[in-house]
Order: sequence, then C-alpha cells, then structure tokens
Amino acid sequence: KQEVTQIPAALSVPEGENLVLNCSFTDSAIYNLQWFRQDPGKGLTSLLLIQSSQREQTSGRLNASLDKSSGRSTLYIAASQPGDSATYLCAVMTGANNLFFGTGTRLTVIP
Amino acid sequence: NAGVTQTPKFRVLKTGQSMTLLCAQDMNHEYMYWYRQDPGMGLRLIHYSVGEGTTAKGEVPDGYNVSRLKKQNFLLGLESAAPSQTSVYFCASRDPNTGELFFGEGSRLTVL
Repeated sequence: KQEVTQIPAALSVPEGENLVLNCSFTDSAIYNLQWFRQDPGKGLTSLLLIQSSQREQTSGRLNASLDKSSGRSTLYIAASQPGDSATYLCAVMTGANNLFFGTGTRLTVIP
Repeated sequence: NAGVTQTPKFRVLKTGQSMTLLCAQDMNHEYMYWYRQDPGMGLRLIHYSVGEGTTAKGEVPDGYNVSRLKKQNFLLGLESAAPSQTSVYFCASRDPNTGELFFGEGSRLTVL
C-alpha cells in the first residue's frame, strides 16, 4: 500500500521567509501528485498538480517539484505571508481511484 | 460556479440513528468520492463512484452506504450511527482531463 509522509508536522516561519514543505511516498508508480491547502474548518483547495511525466509546476509564489525515482515532492513558497498560514497536504494518485494523502504540514507565518 | 456543495455542514446524532449526507457538483464530473478526515490519520476514502448508477468501496467502507442516482449527486448514508463515525466528511469530484480533485467544504458529524 502506498504510504505518504509529510515532515515536519508543523512549521513556524517569520513573514518574508522562503520555505520548503516536504512530501515523500513509498511507491514510485504514481499517476500524479497534488498539493492542497486546507484552512481551519474548511475544505481542501487544490494548489498544484504534477503529472507523473512532469518535474515541476509553478503558480505565483508556489513551486512544486516531483522526483518519482526517489519518491519525493517539495512545495516551495517564496516570500511567505501571514495569509499563507494553513495546513498543506500532498496526495498521490496511483490509479484511477487510488488517492493517498499525507497527514499534512501546519504552517504558521508570523507577522 | 458553486463547484462541490455538501449538506448539511454540521450534524449531531445519537448512537443508532441514521442520516444522509448530500454532495452536489456542477462540473459534470464522472468521478466522485467520499472521504473522512480524522486527526493524525489524514483523509481516507470511504466510497467512490465512476459514473451515474455505479459505486464502489474504498479503504474504510464499513458502516456506510452510497448512491449515485444522478450524475451530479453522490449521497453518503449512515444506517446506524456509531461514535467511531464522528468525523469530518469531505466529498470530492475529479476533472477527467487533469486528474485534479475539487473538494466540498466538509460536513462535521458528531455521534453521541
């Protein structure tokens, strides 16, 4: 069974700092990998999706990379802002209906 | 554009009671999912559907039933609620072209 791990579970950074969130997975035979943001009491909002044939995706201040061979993905957030405070989850899809989630990294950006 | 809408958002049940959660999506997606989210365990798939009239079991299906009578709606039922089913339930639909998932805002269920 695919296992998805996100370390650290929580992270606090001062405003303006660049940061990297990590996601690792055990089975490299993935269909795609998706990063989500979840605010307290809310649903998940899709941030970036990387297909298995891609190495990275960018959206504004966010950049996600994928290294299938090592089973790793990173989410880079540039110039962090207090509004970036949320829990970030990664999920890997190994088939049409097999999506495995990590438990997330709770990010706090301190003004 | 509403996306994925879940009702109700909050519900409190007593052990043994039944209820149905409704998920509606307006993106004409074939694939729909029901997940539960529990502290420290991430999201786990309960049931899913690959199209109108079809449903299948996910990772944690016991105690739940689902129906997909219309393409836009996916219902999750609890026939006899148990305290272990206290959780936040999320519905999602999937874009067939990109694989991207779109989530509802969640339904928080407490079983006393």
